[in-house]
Amino acid sequence: QQQVKQSPQSLIVQKGGISIINCAYENTAFDYFPWYQQFPGKGPALLIAIRPDVSEKKEGRFTISFNKSAKQFSLHIMDSQPGDSATYFCAASPPFGFHEKLTFGTGTRLTIIP
Amino acid sequence: DTAVSQTPKYLVTQMGNDKSIKCEQNLGHDTMYWYKQDSKKFLKIMFSYNNKELIINETVPNRFSPKSPDKAHLNLHINSLELGDSAVYFCASSQDWGQEETQYFGPGTRLLVL
Repeated sequence: QQQVKQSPQSLIVQKGGISIINCAYENTAFDYFPWYQQFPGKGPALLIAIRPDVSEKKEGRFTISFNKSAKQFSLHIMDSQPGDSATYFCAASPPFGFHEKLTFGTGTRLTIIP
Repeated sequence: DTAVSQTPKYLVTQMGNDKSIKCEQNLGHDTMYWYKQDSKKFLKIMFSYNNKELIINETVPNRFSPKSPDKAHLNLHINSLELGDSAVYFCASSQDWGQEETQYFGPGTRLLVL
């Protein structure tokens, strides 16, 4: 069963535009939500993460928006650059002591065109 | 000074063979993981070790056997390889076992079973 659903599967955005990737989760026990970025031929790397006690977290051009009641969260990339072209994975984890493994979304391949 | 390294980078083998993938981390971390990424980029955890002790063992065929000789190494042995085992296998590590621990991924091992 897919506990974390991610959309879109692929996304093309013009340079300078805003890239938006959405995720929805089913398990209400999840309370930690990281985003990972993966460049071709490389392993994923942590980009930014959020806990549900805040509705938004911003780091540079990257912002996570969180809607606890809807069980949805999204990644916004402002002023998207060609160097942002990568596959992005959302993930979710339950609290400590509940087998807090990361459950990943299916990934979004983002392409930023000049 | 690679943080998480895997060998080999590519592995092409015949069905029925037995193969091993090695992983080493020089970050001094206590927890290591194996993930499988299929052709659709879906990333799923297979195993996790904390201080050489197995703490996550997902529903993985018992043809897959992890071995952790010490905290810095986590190897993956696969017996009787099948076509469906073709994937990219990522090793990762984190400082400790916990929800907010950043996982550092290796570059991946691309396994192709013919």
